[in-house]
Amino acid sequence: GAVVSQHPSWVICKSGTSVKIECRSLDFQATTMFWYRQFPKQSLMLMATSNEGSKATYEQGVEKDKFLINHASLTLSTLTVTSAHPEDSSFYICSASERLLQETQYFGPGTRLLVL
Amino acid sequence: QQQVKQSPQSLIVQKGGISIINCAYENTAFDYFPWYQQFPGKGPALLIAIRPDVSEKKEGRFTISFNKSAKQFSLHIMDSQPGDSATYFCAARLGSWGKFQFGAGTQVVVTP
Repeated sequence: GAVVSQHPSWVICKSGTSVKIECRSLDFQATTMFWYRQFPKQSLMLMATSNEGSKATYEQGVEKDKFLINHASLTLSTLTVTSAHPEDSSFYICSASERLLQETQYFGPGTRLLVL
Repeated sequence: QQQVKQSPQSLIVQKGGISIINCAYENTAFDYFPWYQQFPGKGPALLIAIRPDVSEKKEGRFTISFNKSAKQFSLHIMDSQPGDSATYFCAARLGSWGKFQFGAGTQVVVTP
C-alpha cells in the first residue's frame, strides 16, 4: 500500500515552454500533497503544500506564478512549470499524506526535468 | 536555517558492519521523526519512523534510537549490505499535517 506515482519520469523541453507533472496516490486518498525540488547531492527542498480543493501554500522564495500547483482531487495533484528556463532543470518529487496512514509522507519516484 | 542537522555527510562501511547516522534538532515541538532511504534517480522511501515518546524502535536490521532530552536521534543499520548503499535522510515533522524538515542527507557506501 501507500503507493505514489509520478508522470512523466523524465522530460526534456525547450526554453520558454510549459511542462506539467502529475502526481497520483494509487491506493489511498491524499488529503495533503507536497512538492519538492532536489538538486544533485542535496537535500529535498519543499516548494509548496497543497490540500485537496484549496489553493497551494508556497514556500518563501518559490514563484507561485511560475510553479502552478493544482490539487483537483484526492488522488491527483499537478505541478506546471510555466515558461521553463534552463535554471528550472531539476529533479521534482511529490509526496502525499493521508490520516489513516500514520500521517507520514509517501514519496513518488520523481520527475527529471531538463530544459534546453 | 537548518532545523535538523545530520551527520556525517558520507560514510563508508564494510559489509557486515554497522552504519550509524545522527541527527539533532532544536524545536521541541517536532512530533514525528522518520528516516528515508533514497537511491540515485529515485524518490525517497520511508524506512522507519519514531515518535518522541519512544526511545527506540527496531525493524529488521534498522533501528532508531531517540534521546528526547538531548534532542538527538540516530539510525543504526546492522549487518550492512552492499544493497544498503544509498543516501539516507532524517526528517522531523511539526504537528499533524505539518511540513517535514529534512536533514542534509548521508551518503552511505557499503563495500563488499
